[in-house]
Amino acid sequence: TQLLEQSPQFLSIQEGENLTVYCNSSSVFSSLQWYRQEPGEGPVLLVTVVTGGEVKKLKRLTFQFGDARKDSSLHITAAQPGDTGLYLCAGGTGNTGKLIFGQGTTLQVKP
Amino acid sequence: NAGVTQTPKFRVLKTGQSMTLLCAQDMNHEYMYWYRQDPGMGLRLIHYSVGEGTTAKGEVPDGYNVSRLKKQNFLLGLESAAPSQTSVYFCASSFSRFYEQYFGPGTRLTVT
Repeated sequence: TQLLEQSPQFLSIQEGENLTVYCNSSSVFSSLQWYRQEPGEGPVLLVTVVTGGEVKKLKRLTFQFGDARKDSSLHITAAQPGDTGLYLCAGGTGNTGKLIFGQGTTLQVKP
Repeated sequence: NAGVTQTPKFRVLKTGQSMTLLCAQDMNHEYMYWYRQDPGMGLRLIHYSVGEGTTAKGEVPDGYNVSRLKKQNFLLGLESAAPSQTSVYFCASSFSRFYEQYFGPGTRLTVT
C-alpha cells in the first residue's frame, strides 16, 4: 500500500515567518501534486511536479520534488494570513489518474 | 461554466437508510472520482471512472456503489448507511490521467 506522510500536521505561525511542509513516502510516484483547501470547499491545485529534483515557484511558494520521486516539500516565504488553509500533497499512480493523498497540514498564519 | 457540482450539500441519514449523491461536471472530462475526507486522514478514493459506462474500485469501496451512465454525471450510492460512513464526500473530475483534478464543494453526510 502506498502511503504519503505529511509533516507537520498543524502549524501556527506569525505573519512574515517562513515555513516548510514535508511530504514523504517509501514509494515512487509518477507525479506529485500540491492542493490547498479552505473550509467548506474542495481542494484546489497549486502545482504539479513530475521530474525528480524539479523545483517550481509560485510567487512566495516553492515546491520541490525529491530526486528519487518519493518525497516533496512546500516552502512558503513571508507567510501571510491569506495563506491560512489545509495543504494536501497527492502522489500520482498508475495509468488511471488515481491520487494518493497525504493526511494534510493545517496552516494558520496570524496577523 | 459551473465546473463540478454536488447534490446535496448536507444530509442526515439514519442507520440503514439509503441515498444517492450526484456529481455533475460541465467540462467534458473523461475521468471522475469520488473521495471521502475524514479528520486527520486526508482524502481517500472510494470509486472512480475513466469514461462513460466504466467504474472501478478505489481504496475504500466497501458499502458504496457507483454508476456513470452519462459522461457528465457520476453517482455515488449508499445502500444501507452506517455511522462509519459519516464524512465529507468530494467528487472530482479530470480531463485525463495527467491533468489536475477539479473538485466539487463537497457533501457533508451524517449517519446517526
